[in-house]
Amino acid sequence: EAGVAQSPRYKIIEKRQSVAFWCNPISGHATLYWYQQILGQGPKLLIQFQNNGVVDDSQLPKDRFSAERLKGVDSTLKIQPAKLEDSAVYLCASSFQPNQPQHFGDGTRLSIL
Amino acid sequence: GDSVTQMEGPVTLSEEAFLTINCTYTATGYPSLFWYVQYPGEGLQLLLKATKADDKGSNKGFEATYRKETTSFHLEKGSVQVSDSAVYFCALSTGNSGAGSYQLTFGKGTKLSVIP
Repeated sequence: EAGVAQSPRYKIIEKRQSVAFWCNPISGHATLYWYQQILGQGPKLLIQFQNNGVVDDSQLPKDRFSAERLKGVDSTLKIQPAKLEDSAVYLCASSFQPNQPQHFGDGTRLSIL
Repeated sequence: GDSVTQMEGPVTLSEEAFLTINCTYTATGYPSLFWYVQYPGEGLQLLLKATKADDKGSNKGFEATYRKETTSFHLEKGSVQVSDSAVYFCALSTGNSGAGSYQLTFGKGTKLSVIP
């Protein structure tokens, strides 16, 4: 089966600019997650979707980050405006249901200048 | 809150050496425990898991046992290969079944380098 697809793989922007990341989960997976992985640390959950609804966004910095999954399939994560501390790898993961193992994409590496 | 502590790396071993990466956790309730592996430039892949006390997860020669009494889930492999070079993450999952929320909490990762 095709894995979780993410794009772009790399993005370089200046601080205060905006950026968007795209994720297409494994077909049939109802649950979708976005994680932020800062260099040298483990991934940290930003938001969890179940179909097109948000289940948990308690760790999403809502003043600058937003995410949507309008049709319950692919998802977009946006940062506006970006700060230097947002430099990280943004990982998307999906699972068939919330209590099933999560499958990760290769991530988008974001560098803020 | 929930947390995972794993041994700091990097760990450098010769091929065919024995590997242990220590992992301990703090959690409320009864978490599921996981080891994920991340190869350079790639996302995380599930290596093995255990869902209750005394369960042993195993895959590709790696194994880990869920020890509730010591709140540990140490990763072991009897004979490592160069191809095992990667970053290994210990993680736990606690869920709010009512809300459908199952968050993975990760350790900081341990980088393993295996030399021929």
